[in-house]
Amino acid sequence: AQKVTQAQTEISVVEKEDVTLDCVYETRDTTYYLFWYKQPPSGELVFLIRRNSFDEQNEISGRYSWNFQKSTSSFNFTITASQVVDSAVYFCALSEGPGTASKLTFGTGTRLQVTL
Amino acid sequence: GAVVSQHPSRVICKSGTSVKIECRSLDFQATTMFWYRQFPKKSLMLMATSNEGSKATYEQGVEKDKFLINHASLTLSTLTVTSAHPEDSSFYICSASPARVADTQYFGPGTRLTVL
Repeated sequence: AQKVTQAQTEISVVEKEDVTLDCVYETRDTTYYLFWYKQPPSGELVFLIRRNSFDEQNEISGRYSWNFQKSTSSFNFTITASQVVDSAVYFCALSEGPGTASKLTFGTGTRLQVTL
Repeated sequence: GAVVSQHPSRVICKSGTSVKIECRSLDFQATTMFWYRQFPKKSLMLMATSNEGSKATYEQGVEKDKFLINHASLTLSTLTVTSAHPEDSSFYICSASPARVADTQYFGPGTRLTVL
């Protein structure tokens, strides 16, 4: 069975600090996808990134970066120079297999609070 | 691109009535749509997977006769909560996968249902 663990329930940082959100996953599939979604207070989930299991290159998008380590089954998310607008719940998710729409297994989410 | 809408955003109904929630993919065709339920400060729980033109696949523990799902077209899926009770009060979120990026789900803004 697939499982996603986000051990950090809540994180509070001061604006401009860097923050890393941890995600550890379990799957028996050799081919899978990993995702990060942001859920601001409005409730809508915003897609941030998709990474397939064969691509271990780290990715950077503006202040966001992702570190995929297959050896430790982790897909961590770092926000550099955090801003108040980054305050949200962040979900890591895992889906099985490529090619067709697959079910997502979500972690329990990490609530990030960025204060001035 | 990849915008998903939900209607209504909020609904309050009396116990025993039925409520229909619509999920639309606005700028793409979605062969597969998903329905989730989210309790306060909790993660998303998949309720069912809906494929256009066929019966929905429900997750274990989800009553198919209570949560009726119809996916009549490539841009519209509906969830009807029949004979709603206060315990059905929740945040319901749909997602859709574009055929061109079948492995990625894009989420609607959610519908907050309150059953009195």
